[in-house]
Amino acid sequence: GEDVEQSLFLSVREGDSSVINCTYTDSSSTYLYWYKQEPGAGLQLLTYIFSNMDMKQDQRLTVLLNKKDKHLSLRIADTQTGDSAIYFCAESSDNQGGKLIFGQGTELSVKP
Amino acid sequence: KAGVTQTPRYLIKTRGQQVTLSCSPISGHRSVSWYQQTPGQGLQFLFEYFSETQRNKGNFPGRFSGRQFSNSRSEMNVSTLELGDSALYLCASSLGTRGTDTQYFGPGTRLTVL
Repeated sequence: GEDVEQSLFLSVREGDSSVINCTYTDSSSTYLYWYKQEPGAGLQLLTYIFSNMDMKQDQRLTVLLNKKDKHLSLRIADTQTGDSAIYFCAESSDNQGGKLIFGQGTELSVKP
Repeated sequence: KAGVTQTPRYLIKTRGQQVTLSCSPISGHRSVSWYQQTPGQGLQFLFEYFSETQRNKGNFPGRFSGRQFSNSRSEMNVSTLELGDSALYLCASSLGTRGTDTQYFGPGTRLTVL
């Protein structure tokens, strides 16, 4: 069945780059997403990548997709304390009809 | 454009009661999906509605139900509440024309069952 895995915690220093990793199992995945959740809030869409792409860059965010290994990563350049949050990767495919499969979330802690 | 709104933001109920949560999608979006978020199980898909019809359903008991109105607003209902139903309930809206349309989330309703 479908499964998405993430490491649970990541701690970095302010100004460093953060890399959050995700693996998925569904080979029919069409879109892969990164969402950010701050305490007490809903999910904020950060970026997404279509499965026929290898990389997508959006300001400080870079998404890399390795389809062969079913591995997705999110790199945040120049990480700030305001980036501290939980980051979720999620997958969807046309045959799942509006259903996102989420990873467990990675808690990013940014130390000044 | 206004984002996805959910009401109420917080609810406290007791076991055995029922509850109704509401979600208003982004203007022009016709699909609404519901998710349950708990510390133990993470984010799990409940169901998706498109044009007033349930199009997809997750693995939740029949106590969890939903509906969608002609203006695309959606409600979900949980009957005979159990302690384990305490969670953050999130709804998301999308255009709905494809299963992979980007979903935008509301702030959630925090349900506490005592």
